[in-house]
Amino acid sequence: EVQLVDSGGGLVQPGGSLRLSCEASGFTFTSYAMSWVRQAPGKGLDWVSGISTSGSSTYYADFVKGRFTISRDNSKNTLFLQMNSLRAEDTAVYYCAKGGDGAVAYFDYWGQGTLVTVSS
Amino acid sequence: QLVLTQSPSASASLGASVKLTCTLSSGHSGYGIAWHQQQPEKGPRYLMKVNSDGSHRKGDGIPDRFSGSSSGAERYLTISRLQSEDEADYYCQTWDTGTHVVFGGGTKLTVL
Repeated sequence: EVQLVDSGGGLVQPGGSLRLSCEASGFTFTSYAMSWVRQAPGKGLDWVSGISTSGSSTYYADFVKGRFTISRDNSKNTLFLQMNSLRAEDTAVYYCAKGGDGAVAYFDYWGQGTLVTVSS
Repeated sequence: QLVLTQSPSASASLGASVKLTCTLSSGHSGYGIAWHQQQPEKGPRYLMKVNSDGSHRKGDGIPDRFSGSSSGAERYLTISRLQSEDEADYYCQTWDTGTHVVFGGGTKLTVL
């Protein structure tokens, strides 16, 4: 059974940093690209970032470029999102998502989400 | 620019069928999409991938009541024999391979 367990969310002040993690199991982690998707309170889904199977290629939405860094540890089946220079508008539930067909394309499994609140 | 357009809301009666539409922006009619369901207070769940030729591949455990189809730049999600648990937000999603992922604004489905 595929499982994605998101963690690392919390309350952080504007300008602060946070690191999210996503532990994956039930599939061959090294064979699939992964992504982070977020959902602000009462809003729709927004793709944040994606990473290739090896980690050599990374992709970002314009609104996080230069502030967020996606990475993965294939030896530990874990996906990360390092978030720096956080802003109030980054407040959202963050979901990790497994890429279908191996690529950063569509998502066929989702984590349960972790809430990030940016507030003073 | 790659954009997906969805109606904000839809409604249908218990036991009836409903067809939700997702429209690809001009010049992108050959793109496939994915449909995701988000029930109240829950995370998203993958339903299916729908290709431009109308073929579709459903996720694990998705009932036969859910089906997908295509026509031109439009991609559809049809839900038959509506049940109360089908009341949810439905998002379509597409991608430019490896560079950019886009979500539609979502359709809130009410089961009457």
